[in-house]
Amino acid sequence: ETGVTQSPTHLIKTRGQQVTLRCSSQSGHNTVSWYQQALGQGPQFIFQYYREEENGRGNFPPRFSGLQFPNYSSELNVNALELDDSALYLCASSFIGLGTVYEQYFGPGTRLTVT
Amino acid sequence: QQQVKQSPQSLIVQKGGISIINCAYENTAFDYFPWYQQFPGKGPALLIAIRPDVSEKKEGRFTISFNKSAKQFSLHIMDSQPGDSATYFCAADNTGKLIFGQGTTLQVKP
Repeated sequence: ETGVTQSPTHLIKTRGQQVTLRCSSQSGHNTVSWYQQALGQGPQFIFQYYREEENGRGNFPPRFSGLQFPNYSSELNVNALELDDSALYLCASSFIGLGTVYEQYFGPGTRLTVT
Repeated sequence: QQQVKQSPQSLIVQKGGISIINCAYENTAFDYFPWYQQFPGKGPALLIAIRPDVSEKKEGRFTISFNKSAKQFSLHIMDSQPGDSATYFCAADNTGKLIFGQGTTLQVKP
């Protein structure tokens, strides 16, 4: 177990709705990254948060947004849900120090189904 | 240039055999190459990782071989066990943003 927790475990939403997913990072870590994993695919990087600021973004539209809180936990928000947003959403916790990025440890994920 | 290509897509190995999974990358700026193991319904678990200043790293039954000039790296699982049956992902990174391969589903037959 990595110590990274995510909630909820499963979620079913309707197309057009909005969703918020939550992640608690591992103790001692200051960075949270979010990934989307479609069925049968490798995870795709969405964005990363470091010191409460977005620190890089993958090829995802602006309706994917996030937050990081002072305790380093994070939220992923998705607006105007589309059917293709159905996936496993993974949060990864890591430590950035002196310009060095250390190992990323993943949570169990949130399975989002959009109908 | 950001792609990581992984092969094979699936692999069946007898218990006690060697499982070999290969990855190739294009971006020479990548400087960190982890392997993750994922069981159904779970998040990926970090298995072993290597940086390009070494050509091989071994941890227990798991070994990464790294060929910088060919821009390739591979995972070897020695004495494969049924409990190793999972999906394995290679990844590459240089900025903290992991780029994953497509995954290899490994089945180890008893």
